[in-house]
Amino acid sequence: AQTVTQSQPEMSVQEAETVTLSCTYDTSESDYYLFWYKQPPSRQMILVIRQEAYKQQNATENRFSVNFQKAAKSFSLKISDSQLGDAAMYFCAYRSGYNQGGKLIFGQGTELSVKP
Amino acid sequence: EADIYQTPRYLVIGTGKKITLECSQTMGHDKMYWYQQDPGMELHLIHYSYGVNSTEKGDLSSESTVSRIRTEHFPLTLESARPSHTSQYLCASSEGSGNFGGTEAFFGQGTRLTVV
Repeated sequence: AQTVTQSQPEMSVQEAETVTLSCTYDTSESDYYLFWYKQPPSRQMILVIRQEAYKQQNATENRFSVNFQKAAKSFSLKISDSQLGDAAMYFCAYRSGYNQGGKLIFGQGTELSVKP
Repeated sequence: EADIYQTPRYLVIGTGKKITLECSQTMGHDKMYWYQQDPGMELHLIHYSYGVNSTEKGDLSSESTVSRIRTEHFPLTLESARPSHTSQYLCASSEGSGNFGGTEAFFGQGTRLTVV
């Protein structure tokens, strides 16, 4: 069975600074996808960034980028130029590339606070 | 904003009552999911559906049941609510009649259920 681990329950960053959220996963599969989702307080969970395991290049989306280390099974999220609106719970998630119904397996979450 | 809606947003109900949590999406997605989010914020899959008349149990055992009579609608029912059912319930959907592991899952705003 696949597992996802986020070892940082809480993180804090100063506005305009950079922060990195950690995520490790365990799988024996070779085809899979990794995601970072953001859940603001009392709001919908939204996709921040995704990474295909077969791609060596790290995904980027504006101020968000990942450091995907496939051999180490590590998938960290870097947020540059942090903004107050980045404050939220961040979840790392795994999805199999095989026919398992598209289910997402989530980590425990990291609560990010942004200080003005 | 994603076109997936959950009602009610908040529900406080007495022990033994039957409840139905509603989830509807207007994106025509085949796959739909129910996740339970505990107070520690971790998410666990409790039900999913590949399409109409398809329902499967998720990784976390749940006393709830689901139905999928229409593509857009995926309600969750508890026949007899108990305090142990107190949690947040998130509904999600994603496209693809096949595997489509990399496609985004869209989430509703969640229903926070309290059983007293």
